[in-house]
Amino acid sequence: AQSVTQLDSQVPVFEEAPVELRCNYSSSVSVYLFWYVQYPNQGLQLLLKYLSGSTLVESINGFEAEFNKSQTSFHLRKPSVHISDTAEYFCAVMYGGSSYKLIFGSGTRLLVRP
Amino acid sequence: SQTIHQWPATLVQPVGSPLSLECTVEGTSNPNLYWYRQAAGRGLQLLFYSVGIGQISSEVPQNLSASRPQDRQFILSSKKLLLSDSGFYLCAWRETGTSSGNTIYFGEGSWLTVV
Repeated sequence: AQSVTQLDSQVPVFEEAPVELRCNYSSSVSVYLFWYVQYPNQGLQLLLKYLSGSTLVESINGFEAEFNKSQTSFHLRKPSVHISDTAEYFCAVMYGGSSYKLIFGSGTRLLVRP
Repeated sequence: SQTIHQWPATLVQPVGSPLSLECTVEGTSNPNLYWYRQAAGRGLQLLFYSVGIGQISSEVPQNLSASRPQDRQFILSSKKLLLSDSGFYLCAWRETGTSSGNTIYFGEGSWLTVV
């Protein structure tokens, strides 16, 4: 079955430190990859996506993710986090021919401490 | 630009009572529409999706139903709520017929507490 794994349920980090949130998916020929962010008591906001082309994608607020087909991974990184980055981050995959349904990982809570 | 509205934002309902959550999308035509549920401390589970008026696909057996009476309206319902129906419900949409159609956007969500 198709699945998405986020290995860390919570990642505590100090402000201005780098962070990596890990995401792996079950292998498929054709995938589209997404990171969504959820702030407390809010809906999901699209952070960044990989549909095709360059394997390194960036968001407007300094996050980046790299599609690694051989390792079936799409890890999210930021070189220097802020307090305001504290949120839940969800990795999601849309498999080709899946009727455009997203399969989500279980989420990683990023906790940025001063 | 496209927007998605979902209401009510918060709902507290007794066990056995009915439920109706409504979602509308503006600024697009013939979108794919989705209902997801996020149980406390858990990830997101797809409940229903719709590719057109009156076309509903259910992903998991449950106490809920969905309807799409209009192109941009998606309703989640229950005749009798169970405690296990508590959670955060998210409506989402996908634009069809464009190059950006592989992206799904979410509403602000509805908190349902069944007591």
